[in-house]
Amino acid sequence: TQLLEQSPQFLSIQEGENLTVYCNSSSVFSSLQWYRQEPGEGPVLLVTVVTGGEVKKLKRLTFQFGDARKDSSLHITAAQPGDTGLYLCAGSTDSWGKFQFGAGTQVVVTP
Amino acid sequence: DAGVIQSPRHEVTEMGQEVTLRCKPISGHNSLFWYRQTMMRGLELLIYFNNNVPIDDSGMPEDRFSAKMPNASFSTLKIQPSEPRDSAVYFCASSPTSDSSYEQYFGPGTRLTVT
Repeated sequence: TQLLEQSPQFLSIQEGENLTVYCNSSSVFSSLQWYRQEPGEGPVLLVTVVTGGEVKKLKRLTFQFGDARKDSSLHITAAQPGDTGLYLCAGSTDSWGKFQFGAGTQVVVTP
Repeated sequence: DAGVIQSPRHEVTEMGQEVTLRCKPISGHNSLFWYRQTMMRGLELLIYFNNNVPIDDSGMPEDRFSAKMPNASFSTLKIQPSEPRDSAVYFCASSPTSDSSYEQYFGPGTRLTVT
């Protein structure tokens, strides 16, 4: 059983469209991270959120941490083919930096 | 900076053989993590070290798996004996725990195939 549930599992959209992926849990996290992983490579950190209700923007990507610190969303505006990848959320409940990962959302953006 | 270095990048071995995966973390990082990634189970944390000391090995599947970190610049993950179900991509990641963001820097991974 995954501690973190990500949805949808797979998303295919056209270039220029918007998309949102979700990360949900019944646990409260001290911090939550989003990573993007491309084939044959390790995950790369996009953002860390620590405060309930926090919103962070990274160019066309908007990350939101739920008020109760149990869920998060990633919104991409005007998606581009370079946004294609596996998006992973990871949550921590301790102070050691130990994170558990969700199963990921595979995003495919076609030209 | 060279980033996290893992070797080998690919390993193919027969069931029953010993496999050793190697990792060199980023210089100055205090924490090191070993993960395993499969289609079925996703990215699983196996073990992590802080200042070369194992903090949590609850993710290690069974006694066939062992990990060591003899110094701040080197860690190994050993599987003995290996089984086909161990086939996966194994990632090593390091983190500067003095940084409250807990950013983990992942290596490129070792793709292990056990036949």
